[in-house]
Amino acid sequence: GIQVEQSPPDLILQEGANSTLRCNFSDSVNNLQWFHQNPWGQLINLFYIPSGTKQNGRLSATTVATERYSLLYISSSQTTDSGVYFCAVEIDGVYNTDKLIFGTGTRLQVFP
Amino acid sequence: DVKVTQSSRYLVKRTGEKVFLECVQDMDHENMFWYRQDPGLGLRLIYFSYDVKMKEKGDIPEGYSVSREKKERFSLILESASTNQTSMYLCASRILRGRTEAFFGQGTRLTVV
Repeated sequence: GIQVEQSPPDLILQEGANSTLRCNFSDSVNNLQWFHQNPWGQLINLFYIPSGTKQNGRLSATTVATERYSLLYISSSQTTDSGVYFCAVEIDGVYNTDKLIFGTGTRLQVFP
Repeated sequence: DVKVTQSSRYLVKRTGEKVFLECVQDMDHENMFWYRQDPGLGLRLIYFSYDVKMKEKGDIPEGYSVSREKKERFSLILESASTNQTSMYLCASRILRGRTEAFFGQGTRLTVV
């Protein structure tokens, strides 16, 4: 099956620093999402990004589907950015529904 | 606003008990999913449903069953809970057709003792 790998697995930053998280996938995908899991376990949608670049405030994401990777950029990090970041890819499933396969995650800790 | 609600935030059950985890969405979505999340293993798909009364096995269905009697509700059932089913359970929903994003509930942390 498809492999979805994220790097780095852990990241420690001081407030105000910038960072780049990477998601590599081993096969063609229909789509890609980035999520942030907060300390309480809730998965928050960040980006739905099949290709190209999107920005939302201090966060932006780029997906290059032909090269099978996506990047999440966090600028001027804040303590509230702490948590685990997941990418998830969509692959063809049966009955016209896509399966969402998650990456291994990047755990981010931002210290004041 | 999109809303996926899981019935319990924390749950403690005894080995051998029958456990029901409930998930309700208010977006009229056809697709619903159950995942479990474990340290070092990430999120793994247990079951999903693409319509009322329709269900498909995911990657780790053993020890679980599901029920989808109404479009808005997707239940995960542990027929006889075991300690290795202690985990964080996450429910998601999305529109069936077209390429759209999935939305998650707040998660249920289940402990089986």
